[in-house]
Amino acid sequence: GENVEQHPSTLSVQEGDSAVIKCTYSDSASNYFPWYKQELGKRPQLIIDIRSNVGEKKDQRIAVTLNKTAKHFSLHITETQPEDSAVYFCAASSSSASKIIFGSGTRLSIRP
Amino acid sequence: DTAVSQTPKYLVTQMGNDKSIKCEQNLGHDTMYWYKQDSKKFLKIMFSYNNKELIINETVPNRFSPKSPDKAHLNLHINSLELGDSAVYFCASSQVSGDTEAFFGQGTRLTVV
Repeated sequence: GENVEQHPSTLSVQEGDSAVIKCTYSDSASNYFPWYKQELGKRPQLIIDIRSNVGEKKDQRIAVTLNKTAKHFSLHITETQPEDSAVYFCAASSSSASKIIFGSGTRLSIRP
Repeated sequence: DTAVSQTPKYLVTQMGNDKSIKCEQNLGHDTMYWYKQDSKKFLKIMFSYNNKELIINETVPNRFSPKSPDKAHLNLHINSLELGDSAVYFCASSQVSGDTEAFFGQGTRLTVV
């Protein structure tokens, strides 16, 4: 079955700097890669996603890249702000799998 | 209107008791899930239902029994609660199975004492 590995587990960056979180997946059938943000005590919420027919996607300060050959995908947050502090989860899934498998999460802290 | 709602938000109970968590979605989605989030924040899939039918059971102990009376509801009943069951349980739904955005409920924090 699918396995998603995520690094780093914790990340602290200065406000205004960039943050990068990396994930790898094992199942070559996976074709959908969402990223979720979970603030303290709240539910996970989708912030951006990418499908396997696209190599890169950007939404304001957030971008995701996907390397299908290497089975790597990454989240990039530029110009970080205090409200970016949260736990971020990458995930992988496919329609045939009927489930979304999450990485272990990255706790991002933004230093003022 | 809340898209995915689950109740209760908090549940404190003694070992050995039986408890239920209810989940409802008003998004018209076909697929619903239960996830368990432990103290280390891992989000682990427990069950996946598509149109009231069980699709995935991720080697969850049979003390956990999901029930889907219709595609808008997926309840979770837990028998003989154990200390290790303490976690936050999230219900979620998606339009189709697997490869679309999952919308999560607010979570149920279960504490077994």
